[in-house]
Amino acid sequence: DAGITQSPRHKVTETGTPVTLRCHQTENHRYMYWYRQDPGHGLRLIHYSYGVKDTDKGEVSDGYSVSRSKTEDFLLTLESATSSQTSVYFCAISTTGVYGYTFGSGTRLTVV
Amino acid sequence: GQQLNQSPQSMFIQEGEDVSMNCTSSSIFNTWLWYKQDPGEGPVLLIALYKAGELTSNGRLTAQFGITRKDSFLNISASIPSDVGIYFCAGQPETSGSRLTFGEGTQLTVNP
Repeated sequence: DAGITQSPRHKVTETGTPVTLRCHQTENHRYMYWYRQDPGHGLRLIHYSYGVKDTDKGEVSDGYSVSRSKTEDFLLTLESATSSQTSVYFCAISTTGVYGYTFGSGTRLTVV
Repeated sequence: GQQLNQSPQSMFIQEGEDVSMNCTSSSIFNTWLWYKQDPGEGPVLLIALYKAGELTSNGRLTAQFGITRKDSFLNISASIPSDVGIYFCAGQPETSGSRLTFGEGTQLTVNP
């Protein structure tokens, strides 16, 4: 495997509850990213990190927050889950964008 | 933000046929990448292109970086059933640093 693990792989949660998704890497890559994948929209960037405690917003960041306290872990939190956040979430890592990203296997989140 | 127009959205072909898909943008890109996503998995990098006009092959796959730096295409020759999946183009815009922009994907179905 490429050294990137997402957990959980599947989760069902209720509207209004907080949810945290975890991305763990063993590659010591500087950059980490959270994307969501929805039919007809491809992959859309939620947040990204360019180092420990250095994060920035992507194109669809509303309703999401992130934290990176260690190089190897990048957490995505939905403060109060909504049905519109039902999606497949992918984490990716890279040394630099020029060489492309390595993706995790995804987390399928269903908000009911 | 930057947008990539990927076409076609879906393709249904017979085993043995050749396939062509492309991505275009109104902005200049420094890097073009092509990914494949199998069901239930994250995208996996197929080909990376770094220079305008560059033509690169990976087995039955060939991709080119357009001379205007605003487009790229991917060809698959002699398709086989395991080529089934979603193919994404991705580009690194001139102004985005390490972040990639993704196309919406082409769903490929290969009939045996």
